[in-house]
Amino acid sequence: DAGVTQSPTHLIKTRGQQVTLRCSPKSGHDTVSWYQQALGQGPQFIFQYYEEEERQRGNFPDRFSGHQFPNYSSELNVNALLLGDSALYLCASSRRTSGGQGETQYFGPGTRLLVL
Amino acid sequence: GENVEQHPSTLSVQEGDSAVIKCTYSDSASNYFPWYKQELGKRPQLIIDIRSNVGEKKDQRIAVTLNKTAKHFSLHITETQPEDSAVYFCAASSVTGGGNKLTFGTGTQLKVEL
Repeated sequence: DAGVTQSPTHLIKTRGQQVTLRCSPKSGHDTVSWYQQALGQGPQFIFQYYEEEERQRGNFPDRFSGHQFPNYSSELNVNALLLGDSALYLCASSRRTSGGQGETQYFGPGTRLLVL
Repeated sequence: GENVEQHPSTLSVQEGDSAVIKCTYSDSASNYFPWYKQELGKRPQLIIDIRSNVGEKKDQRIAVTLNKTAKHFSLHITETQPEDSAVYFCAASSVTGGGNKLTFGTGTQLKVEL
């Protein structure tokens, strides 16, 4: 049973460029969340996708966008990269429940993005 | 929105001692509280979680307690071992707006010394 996978593992870009990060959820999971983790800080929520729609969004600008595919995998796109976008980008997957309680989220290994 | 505070930021204990990390949250609608362990350069790993209908949960050397009235939850690690050394994050989640984002604390660097 494969866990959450992400690609690429590392990426170097220059300011103004665009980047696409990819995530495959754990088997049986249908929800994907993206987080940004700056060095020495806790993960910050970017957005969450379920049924191919963005369900919730954190305090990130429109330069950050995403997509979820019918097989539940997801992409995170960042346009017009800034130096401050350098961080570890984590994907987490979960299985939607109807109980109204938070769902357990399992993290992938992350993509480390460096913007020069 | 939700705000999670975590203390202490660093914690050093002797092997075999206990370690306690405390978190407070602000949103009374939060109902799910996971704890993650993150080793250097690795992904956050879920070590234990608790839901709002439970006051305490234990898994071997790890336990979590929740006080909904005080909006406070804590991680307790007993008989610490060197492999427990890592950064620990608490988080809180509420199901709002069609999603359930996790809001994380700022982390606690735990060092278990021989």
